[in-house]
Amino acid sequence: DAGVTQSPTHLIKTRGQQVTLRCSPISGHKSVSWYQQVLGQGPQFIFQYYEKEERGRGNFPDRFSARQFPNYSSELNVNALLLGDSALYLCASSLGGAPLDEQFFGPGTRLTVL
Amino acid sequence: GNSVTQMEGPVTLSEEAFLTINCTYTATGYPSLFWYVQYPGEGLQLLLKATKADDKGSNKGFEATYRKETTSFHLEKGSVQVSDSAVYFCALSPWGQGAQKLVFGQGTRLTINP
Repeated sequence: DAGVTQSPTHLIKTRGQQVTLRCSPISGHKSVSWYQQVLGQGPQFIFQYYEKEERGRGNFPDRFSARQFPNYSSELNVNALLLGDSALYLCASSLGGAPLDEQFFGPGTRLTVL
Repeated sequence: GNSVTQMEGPVTLSEEAFLTINCTYTATGYPSLFWYVQYPGEGLQLLLKATKADDKGSNKGFEATYRKETTSFHLEKGSVQVSDSAVYFCALSPWGQGAQKLVFGQGTRLTINP
């Protein structure tokens, strides 16, 4: 079975631009979470969506938004990009949305903001 | 607030050496604790977990015991292999939260030399 897939793999943007990152969960998984991993640090929680509804949000500005589609895939949008948004963005999926359900991570999208 | 602190890396060991990676946490209530591993070029993978005090998580020869009295969840392995070279992340799931929010430490890079 395919794991969590993310696209694109790499992305280069300039300050002020907008970006959309995409995630396809493992087949049958209904929950998707997004994390930001700055170089040399651990991932930081951005959002969780379960059954197309936002279940949780981390400490990120309103420039960050996300949504989940009826097929459970998800998009993360970041507006007005800043240099500090350069990071690896990770998507994780799980079967259910409970806190202890095992999360399976994708390989990430590397975003560079110039 | 909730936070996780891991020992500074990188850690370099010889094959068959004993491994300890220290992890301490700050959290209210009764968080669940996890170790994730990130192999080169791959996504984060759950290595082991423990959901209550004195629980021992184990997998692939790795072990960690949830010590509430010392707020610690140290990762150990008796005899490491070259294939264990990876970045290891300690994480917690805050108690009483509805969301699948993981709080990660900064990661410890482990290199095993033959």
